[in-house]
Amino acid sequence: SAVISQKPSRDICQRGTSLTIQCQVDSQVTMMFWYRQQPGQSLTLIATANQGSEATYESGFVIDKFPISRPNLTFSTLTVSNMSPEDSSIYLCSALGRGKYGYTFGSGTRLTVV
Amino acid sequence: DAKTTQPNSMESNEEEPVHLPCNHSTISGTDYIHWYRQLPSQGPEYVIHGLTSNVNNRMASLAIAEDRKSSTLILHRATLRDAAVYYCIPRSGSARQLTFGSGTQLTVLP
Repeated sequence: SAVISQKPSRDICQRGTSLTIQCQVDSQVTMMFWYRQQPGQSLTLIATANQGSEATYESGFVIDKFPISRPNLTFSTLTVSNMSPEDSSIYLCSALGRGKYGYTFGSGTRLTVV
Repeated sequence: DAKTTQPNSMESNEEEPVHLPCNHSTISGTDYIHWYRQLPSQGPEYVIHGLTSNVNNRMASLAIAEDRKSSTLILHRATLRDAAVYYCIPRSGSARQLTFGSGTQLTVLP
């Protein structure tokens, strides 16, 4: 299955600033996703990153707050904009390859907003 | 997506079998049952999936009830490395993403 590199692995950011998280897959994949995992909680889907077009956001998540890019079949970025302490979470990238039934996940980015 | 019910937590002794249950009574006839696990400080990883028949792979076995309203993930000999949160996820063929429930935190005792 595909291997995902996600960076940074962790960061501490000032409120009001933005952070861009990168997700690199070692092979071309059909679908890429971004999840958020708040402390002690399960994963919540933020959006599906669509190659060459705007991401598809889940209820409660908006493009102005979480802009996503996917310029090709192996790379995506998630930006957390105008951060507040409530954005402190783990953000995870996921991918589904062609003909594969298993989703692969990155190790996550642990974000702390102070 | 079908709702799932899993125990919040379970304990097992090392080298003993573990049976992790999942209820998914609203599952539709074409939904596959996927199991993922999340080790500490890691992203989730695929464990196994099935539709109707029981399934085995090198990590685990999946036993699916005849009415498909429940399933059980079986770890044949738990190791300390199997301590993780285990998620049972029904997924339809038309769904693009995985929808995670709360999962079961498995503790393996030495």
